[in-house]
Amino acid sequence: GAVVSQHPSRVICKSGTSVKIECRSLDFQATTMFWYRQFPKKSLMLMATSNEGSKATYEQGVEKDKFLINHASLTLSTLTVTSAHPEDSSFYICSAGPSEFYNEQFFGPGTRLTVL
Amino acid sequence: DAKTTQPNSMESNEEEPVHLPCNHSTISGTDYIHWYRQLPSQGPEYVIHGLTSNVNNRMASLAIAEDRKSSTLILHRATLRDAAVYYCIEAKNNFNKFYFGSGTKLNVKP
Repeated sequence: GAVVSQHPSRVICKSGTSVKIECRSLDFQATTMFWYRQFPKKSLMLMATSNEGSKATYEQGVEKDKFLINHASLTLSTLTVTSAHPEDSSFYICSAGPSEFYNEQFFGPGTRLTVL
Repeated sequence: DAKTTQPNSMESNEEEPVHLPCNHSTISGTDYIHWYRQLPSQGPEYVIHGLTSNVNNRMASLAIAEDRKSSTLILHRATLRDAAVYYCIEAKNNFNKFYFGSGTKLNVKP
């Protein structure tokens, strides 16, 4: 299957700062990427759909000015958590797909964000 | 919103088959059934997916009920490495937006 990477794998930041998380599809082009967040012992929650060359589509209840998404190319989407607060501490996971060759989504390894 | 329901947890012995059930009673005719699994602190891993017919791959088998309102993921011989949370998801294949339910935590005993 295809490989999706995320960077960084974990980040600790101070309250009020912004944090950028990168999601890359390493061996295929993805016009669509997705961003999820997951709290401890909970399931994944879809935050937004990232579309290459257009604005992201956010799920109900997700603040678009708080979670900025940029899909700069067919292999890169970024999620920026602006003015982070402790309640934003979570496990953020991206996925890419489907694509020309794959029907399924491929998930990245996740980014652990801790806001102090 | 998640439309599938699964048992919270199941237990299996190593080397024995495991049948993980999923109910998706509101599934539409064009929705696919996807199964993913997640190990702690990792992203979900694709297991299998199907539409109407039963499916087999190297990891598992997927048995889909004739009315498509339920399905069962079958691990033929559970290993300790199969211990994970298994998610059953219904999604329109062209959008592939996944709304995860609570999943089933599978514990495999040696």
